[in-house]
Order: sequence, then structure tokens, then C-alpha cells
Amino acid sequence: AQSVAQPEDQVNVAEGNPLTVKCTYSVSGNPYLFWYVQYPNRGLQFLLKYITGDNLVKGSYGFEAEFNKSQTSFHLKKPSALVSDSALYFCAVSALGGGATNKLIFGTGTLLAVQP
Amino acid sequence: SAVISQKPSRDICQRGTSLTIQCQVDSQVTMMFWYRQQPGQSLTLIATANQGSEATYESGFVIDKFPISRPNLTFSTLTVSNMSPEDSSIYLCSVEWGRGYEQYFGPGTRLTVT
Repeated sequence: AQSVAQPEDQVNVAEGNPLTVKCTYSVSGNPYLFWYVQYPNRGLQFLLKYITGDNLVKGSYGFEAEFNKSQTSFHLKKPSALVSDSALYFCAVSALGGGATNKLIFGTGTLLAVQP
Repeated sequence: SAVISQKPSRDICQRGTSLTIQCQVDSQVTMMFWYRQQPGQSLTLIATANQGSEATYESGFVIDKFPISRPNLTFSTLTVSNMSPEDSSIYLCSVEWGRGYEQYFGPGTRLTVT
């Protein structure tokens, strides 16, 4: 069965420092991997995805993620954190669902807190 | 990407009643999805709604409790029936956009059952 793990409930980082939010996955076959962000009282926003190709993918707001097949990881990174990056981050993997459609399986989420 | 709206944005309901949540997309899409996010929890898929066919429900979710309609390619509704306090959650609809496999989400409906 497909699954996603986000081992850290919360990540604290000082503004200007690099940040990493960890994600590992378990799928049969090739993984389709995604990162979403949820700001307070708002819906989920798509950040980036890995489908195929380069292991380093770039997304919105300066975020990037590195796909590592041998470690089954897809960690989210940003070189320099901003206070406005403080939010809840979800990693997700796509799995075949009803009607042969990809459905998303989400991790438990990681709260990113960036201190000024 | 698609623009998705949901109504209502929030509601407070009494136990035993039902609430219908609407999801409107500004473009035609084949697949729509309904998720539940319980307080402090991750998202869980309730069902997948394909226009012109019955919705496909995930394990733990049944049609009698969460009936879904998908009358056309831009609209869907989710009804939460015979509500209990355990149904208090944020309900989100999403669409799969193009063939990029990512989904785009509506702003959510925050439901509180008293």
C-alpha cells in the first residue's frame, strides 16, 4: 500500500537560514510526488511536483525538492527562509484510485515556524 | 490552473441535520475529489467524482453518509448526512488539472457540528 511519512511535526528555523522539511514515501512502481502548503484558514496550495526527469525540482516561492530514489525521500528545501514561509506543509504521493485515476495520499503535515 | 470555489465557507450545524457543500470550477474537468481534514489532522480522501457516473468511495466512507452529485463538468456537491460532532472537519474539493497529476484545491468548508 502507498504511504507517505513526514517524521517531524514541527520544524523551527531562523529567518535567512536554509530550511528542510522531510518526506519519505512507499509506493509500488514509479512515484508521483507533491508538496502542498496550507496557510492558516486557507486551502491547500500546490508548491511543486516530481513526475520524472531531474531529481531536483523547483517550485513556487523559491522552494525546491530533491527526489532520492535509493532513500525513497522527497525533502522540501529553501536556501533562505522567510517569516512568511511559516505554514503547514504536506507531502503527498499519487496512487491509482477508482477509475484508474491518480488519488493523493497525504502525509501528516509538518508545521514550519520561521523566527525573525 | 483552475479556480475553485466552495460554498458555504463555514457553517455551524446541529447534530442529526444534513449539509450540502457546493464546489464550482471555472473550467471543465473530468475528475473531482472530496477530502476531509479533521482538526489537527491530515487530509483523507472521501470519494472521487467523475461526471456521468457514480462516485467512488474510499474505505470508511459510504454513500448514505456522504452522497455526492456531479451533474456536469464544472460542478459537484457533497452532502454530509445525519451529522454528529465527529463530522466537524474542513471539507475540501479538488480537481486534477490537465495531465500533470497535481490537484488544485478549493478554499474548504469549515463545518462545526454541535
